[in-house]
Amino acid sequence: GESVGLHLPTLSVQEGDNSIINCAYSNSASDYFIWYKQESGKGPQFIIDIRSNMDKRQGQRVTVLLNKTVKHLSLQIAATQPGDSAVYFCAEKRPGYSTLTFGKGTMLLVSP
Amino acid sequence: DADVTQTPRNRITKTGKRIMLECSQTKGHDRMYWYRQDPGLGLRLIYYSFDVKDINKGEISDGYSVSRQAQAKFSLSLESAIPNQTALYFCATSDLYTVTGELFFGEGSRLTVL
Repeated sequence: GESVGLHLPTLSVQEGDNSIINCAYSNSASDYFIWYKQESGKGPQFIIDIRSNMDKRQGQRVTVLLNKTVKHLSLQIAATQPGDSAVYFCAEKRPGYSTLTFGKGTMLLVSP
Repeated sequence: DADVTQTPRNRITKTGKRIMLECSQTKGHDRMYWYRQDPGLGLRLIYYSFDVKDINKGEISDGYSVSRQAQAKFSLSLESAIPNQTALYFCATSDLYTVTGELFFGEGSRLTVL
């Protein structure tokens, strides 16, 4: 999910399906990554994080996969529910930076 | 009550006016941030502060200034607002002692400059 201009990449799924949201990060030396969920009208909220010394981390219904070879991060949501509809952002901690750098986001739409 | 509170939540103003967005937090965090969100562009960092006497520019600081009045308060000012500053603004905090640097966001302040 990288976006171009004003168009946000959108993933549409049916309730109960598994969702996979992708993110390409910029710096091969980044050592920490976070996924945030932003519901309409609200601020982003933390979902799950992963360090660069890991390939996979699981939470409740969510799994983050890290492929350092191709600088790719993915968020898998199992049994997607309508309440999962939101914009999802990945963020990376780049070396030499004191703050997180965010991707442009992917909108997830879950239909009943 | 929200841990990170932003005021106002919505504001419409005219070109050339001075605007201040305020942020207060009850999380006890030392680090505070201001981000701007535009459709399709994600979150971009305007300014950040790691303690009361520390102010740092982010990637898009031109046209903005900040003030860290106390550990719990961080305000963002637009000295002379222009239409391309129309956006959704977020304040965030993080804990100095959290190595990961997870951010906690407010609900956002929507600013429209006519």
